[in-house]
Amino acid sequence: DTAVSQTPKYLVTQMGNDKSIKCEQNLGHDTMYWYKQDSKKFLKIMFSYNNKELIINETVPNRFSPKSPDKAHLNLHINSLELGDSAVYFCASNQQGSSYEQYFGPGTRLTVT
Amino acid sequence: GNSVTQMEGPVTLSEEAFLTINCTYTATGYPSLFWYVQYPGEGLQLLLKATKADDKGSNKGFEATYRKETTSFHLEKGSVQVSDSAVYFCALSGGAGGTSYGKLTFGQGTILTVHP
Repeated sequence: DTAVSQTPKYLVTQMGNDKSIKCEQNLGHDTMYWYKQDSKKFLKIMFSYNNKELIINETVPNRFSPKSPDKAHLNLHINSLELGDSAVYFCASNQQGSSYEQYFGPGTRLTVT
Repeated sequence: GNSVTQMEGPVTLSEEAFLTINCTYTATGYPSLFWYVQYPGEGLQLLLKATKADDKGSNKGFEATYRKETTSFHLEKGSVQVSDSAVYFCALSGGAGGTSYGKLTFGQGTILTVHP
């Protein structure tokens, strides 16, 4: 069973479109994260939810809006896509009060043309 | 805030060579330290971790020791294999000066290529 899953794995779209990426974890964790990996492999936190509550919101354009319908799911919606949004987006989860070890999904490669 | 600095890459080695990837960090308090590995086309996997000073994390022949006096967590392996070719990330979380809720702060990643 996949612990952290993301859909889709690949997403190719044009500038100006709106798209969503979905993430689900079956580990029973209470906290989920979105990270962005740029073309140079650098990873940076975007958002985090704990029990459906937004707890981390880094400097990210307002076009990005996370949503957590329950603690097992964290989706990322992106409006008005731009070329610079092209990246790999990773979802991760962990349980607060543990050693902060996070489990990552396989990533979604977003290409904006 | 917290930060992690990793040895610049890429690193290219022959099979059975010794590997060291340097990692130093800046944080107040006592963060947890991690090495993650990303194989081509895949997500990140935890390789090893250490949660307090002088702890040694180890897995698959890789080791790293949490050195608070030098704020370092260098990754080592005595004999690398072609299958170790991947991107390696040093990361930290927690610490009194860090953001709450376990946010990971990553180093820039080091690409390792091992030739037969």
